[in-house]
Amino acid sequence: RKEVEQDPGPFNVPEGATVAFNCTYSNSASQSFFWYRQDCRKEPKLLMSVYSSGNEDGRFTAQLNRASQYISLLIRDSKLSDSATYLCVALNQAGTALIFGKGTTLSVSS
Amino acid sequence: DGGITQSPKYLFRKEGQNVTLSCEQNLNHDAMYWYRQDPGQGLRLIYYSQIVNDFQKGDIAEGYSVSREKKESFPLTVTSAQKNPTAFYLCASSIIGYQETQYFGPGTRLLVL
Repeated sequence: RKEVEQDPGPFNVPEGATVAFNCTYSNSASQSFFWYRQDCRKEPKLLMSVYSSGNEDGRFTAQLNRASQYISLLIRDSKLSDSATYLCVALNQAGTALIFGKGTTLSVSS
Repeated sequence: DGGITQSPKYLFRKEGQNVTLSCEQNLNHDAMYWYRQDPGQGLRLIYYSQIVNDFQKGDIAEGYSVSREKKESFPLTVTSAQKNPTAFYLCASSIIGYQETQYFGPGTRLLVL
């Protein structure tokens, strides 16, 4: 089983839609989780951190459920510029490196 | 402007040839990383370094080598032992203790002729 697993999509949604991505992780000792965004043929960039209490940044909300080892990202009022691949990421147990999921591709159309 | 630079943007390798990918950062970060990304795949860690003259293998280190002689530089050599080197290679850096915030370079695409 992969350490971080995501539904690869693609998710094709119209502008203004709400879309949710899910991610599961296998190592219960993992402490920190994040969402990175990667545009086509570009480098990944940190989107936001994920906390058990939830983390909201504008139209983006991230949530962590430690009991289910489940992470989510909710995007409200989707924009064309949200089209990208969203990578679910866990910090390894030693705290020295990141473990990336394969990514979920989002395509927002007008 | 501070950041990470990688060169070249595209690199072609002949069979049996070693090639070196450059990564330089002027962010004064102690930690540096090399990842490989294949189409439809996530990033996989090749090597990382937290201090000059020290580095650790990641998940897929076989066929690769690195050096860390300077804080700013972390070159990756793809050796002839790496049988499937065609991929997108990304270098990143971070502050020690803040590994969640990694700053990535623009990447190098390596193609085998």
